[in-house]
Amino acid sequence: NAGVTQTPKFRVLKTGQSMTLLCAQDMNHEYMYWYRQDPGMGLRLIHYSVGEGTTAKGEVPDGYNVSRLKKQNFLLGLESAAPSQTSVYFCASREPGHYGYTFGSGTRLTVV
Amino acid sequence: AQSVTQLDSQVPVFEEAPVELRCNYSSSVSVYLFWYVQYPNQGLQLLLKYLSGSTLVKGINGFEAEFNKSQTSFHLRKPSVHISDTAEYFCAAYDNTDKLIFGTGTRLQVFP
Repeated sequence: NAGVTQTPKFRVLKTGQSMTLLCAQDMNHEYMYWYRQDPGMGLRLIHYSVGEGTTAKGEVPDGYNVSRLKKQNFLLGLESAAPSQTSVYFCASREPGHYGYTFGSGTRLTVV
Repeated sequence: AQSVTQLDSQVPVFEEAPVELRCNYSSSVSVYLFWYVQYPNQGLQLLLKYLSGSTLVKGINGFEAEFNKSQTSFHLRKPSVHISDTAEYFCAAYDNTDKLIFGTGTRLQVFP
């Protein structure tokens, strides 16, 4: 049972390039989340989904897009990467009514 | 504003000494409270949670936390720390839109 798997684990992008981060969970969780972690700022919510085919904006959505075409996958896209998007990205999931999140191990993204 | 405040960004402590990591929450967040631990280059793991009931909550690795409604606090404690407890610790709470919000983190550094 893998839990929440994020790919890739590391990536370096040039400014203006695009990429997609993949989050896959095998627990059949309804809710999924994308956070970014920056030094001294904790984790901030980018986008989230409360079910297949649904997405919503979090606290810091600008510059990101997401899709949840399948229940087990939640994709985070950067259309035109900027140095301000250098961060560690975490995906998480949970079931409604269960309050503990399960986190992936993170993707470290550097934009140069 | 809804917030979770971790008062100390870094806490240095010697091995086998007691430690307390402080967390305060705003009255506008829920009283579903959590502590997560992040070891270097890893994702977040749930240490403990308070949802209701006894105000003293015991978690993994010998940690415990006490919910104090009058002081809006949820401080994390351990009576005797080990080198292996060196990590970053995040306090979190559910906001009024049913999503987790995080404090900025406390880096616990245990010295031999």
